[in-house]
Formats: sequence, C-alpha cells, structure tokens
Amino acid sequence: DIQMTQSPSSLSASVGDRVTITCRASQSISTFLNWYQQKPGKAPKLLIYAASNLQSGVPLRFRGSGSGTDFTLTISSLQPEDFATYYCQQSDRTPLTFGGGTRVEI
Amino acid sequence: EVQLVDSGGGLVQPGGSLRLSCAASGFTFSDHYMDWVRQAPGKGLEWVGRSRKKGKSYTTEHAASVKGRFTISRDDSQRSLSLQMNSLKTEDTAVYYCVRVGPYSQDAFDIWGQGTMVTVSS
Repeated sequence: DIQMTQSPSSLSASVGDRVTITCRASQSISTFLNWYQQKPGKAPKLLIYAASNLQSGVPLRFRGSGSGTDFTLTISSLQPEDFATYYCQQSDRTPLTFGGGTRVEI
Repeated sequence: EVQLVDSGGGLVQPGGSLRLSCAASGFTFSDHYMDWVRQAPGKGLEWVGRSRKKGKSYTTEHAASVKGRFTISRDDSQRSLSLQMNSLKTEDTAVYYCVRVGPYSQDAFDIWGQGTMVTVSS
C-alpha cells in the first residue's frame, strides 16, 4: 500500500498568513494527488485534484504543486473560513490512501 | 443539483449486520465509479471500497480491513449505491460517506454524501 505522510499535523496561523502543508508519498504517484478540506461535522470537500488543478468554485488563494513523491498545498492569504483540517489523498492505485490530516487553527 | 444522500446508519451490536444506502441525483450515475469512505470519531479518512461502472464490468474492490465482511453493490436503474456490512466490529464505528469518483479529475472524489453514522457497541 502507498503510505501518505502529511506535515505538520497541526499549525496555528492568523488571518492573512501564508500557509504551507506538505504531503509525501511512500512511492512515486506521478500527479495522482488530491487535497480536501474538512470542517467540523461536515463532509470533506475537494480543493485540488491531479496535484495542481483547482476544483471549480475553489478560491484562487489555494494552490497545489508537486509530482512524484512530494507535494504541497499553499494558502496564499488565510481567510477566516479556511480554518479547517486538510487531507491529501493518492488516487494512483488502490487501496486509495489518505494522509493523516493537518489541522489549521488560530 | 448534484447530490448524494447517505442513509441506513445506526447502533448495532458486535457481530451484527447493517446495510447503508446512497441515493444519487443530478448526474448520470451509471457513468461514474462510486466509492465508500469512512471516518472513525476524531480520526482521519479511510477508503472502504469501490464500485466500477458497467464498462468495467461492475467490478468492486474492498479495503483489506473490510474484505470478506463488507460488500459494495450498485443499482444503476435506481441510481443507488449500497454497502452491506456483516460481522461488524467495534472498530467499524465511523461516519460512512458515499463519494463520486470524478471523471476528469484523476479519480479524485468530487462529490460527497453528508455521511451516515454507524456505531458498533454492545
């Protein structure tokens, strides 16, 4: 199985900050990497697919990059509604696997 | 509106069974792979399994943690996905989400149901 490792597991930030979350795959997954945002009590929401493609309706302050084993999610200017938990997920092969999550809090 | 509605969760004793359902609307259900993802209380996301479309012979895959106990099925005529869960264990306690595999997004999960809670406890 492909292991996905996210870091950090949590971070504290302020409105307007630039935030970077990293995700590492245990083997190369090309660009089969997706990012999700989850708020408490809600289903996750797709933000970025195929490593760098913004899902329709997602604000431009979210950016994804990377290929192979190393990936990054960047929020250029954190907004109040961005405080949430973020997960990476590989869709290269089954079993599909997720990172452990990064909680972004004030 | 594109929507998935999950149902069927509840409290069940260890060793028991439960069947979850997912009703799809607003898109051509038969064109999509459909998956189940679960989330134990306070924990991360775990893929449960996949149902492929007719063009892929309706094949299914299940995570090792549920293989032999859970079965995914679909009914394209009813636009529905099901998860039959047998021999339930306490560690199966989780919110279960039905998800749509996006057709042009390298298999990302582009639509999620609201989730249904399954509690396995005596």
